[in-house]
Amino acid sequence: GAVVSQHPSRVICKSGTSVKIECRSLDFQATTMFWYRQFPKQSLMLMATSNEGSKATYEQGVEKDKFLINHASLTLSTLTVTSAHPEDSSFYICSALGYGYTFGSGTRLTVV
Amino acid sequence: GQQLNQSPQSMFIQEGEDVSMNCTSSSIFNTWLWYKQDPGEGPVLLIALYKAGELTSNGRLTAQFGTTRKDSFLNISASIPSDVGIYFCAGQVPGGYQKVTFGTGTKLQVIP
Repeated sequence: GAVVSQHPSRVICKSGTSVKIECRSLDFQATTMFWYRQFPKQSLMLMATSNEGSKATYEQGVEKDKFLINHASLTLSTLTVTSAHPEDSSFYICSALGYGYTFGSGTRLTVV
Repeated sequence: GQQLNQSPQSMFIQEGEDVSMNCTSSSIFNTWLWYKQDPGEGPVLLIALYKAGELTSNGRLTAQFGTTRKDSFLNISASIPSDVGIYFCAGQVPGGYQKVTFGTGTKLQVIP
């Protein structure tokens, strides 16, 4: 079946630094990937839609200069949280559109 | 934007009991999806529904796409301890660049 690998699974960073999260489709090509954020005990909120070879489409209220998305190949999308602050601490999950929607295992980001 | 409300928010049930949860929307969807999320993991697809009235089973799970296209329900029969987790419905709108909107979630706890 379709597998999406997300890395790292958890990361702790200092306030003001940047963190890159990778999302890879391992056995299929994904022209479209999605990035979600999930706060504790809440649902998944779509942040942006990442399309291979073009600019990402951000949801209302999501700062595109803070959450940089790059989808340089059909199997890799990256999310970079720039100048991270404690309020950016969350669970970030990607999904890839191939055989339906397949989710990665998520990245727990803690900004201290 | 679309809102998906799930009920109940949480439930405790005895092992062996059947479970029913539902999801309602303020607008029409053309695809309904049901996911299960374990703590610290990404969601895993349980059932996908593609047309109004469709009733689909996956083992002990049964889901239906409401005829109004604004609701869906998920039933779990003969619950077991490993059914514990958070269940999310998700919908895809027509022409929405394949974006998926998630419901508020139902937390299920099974008492052995």
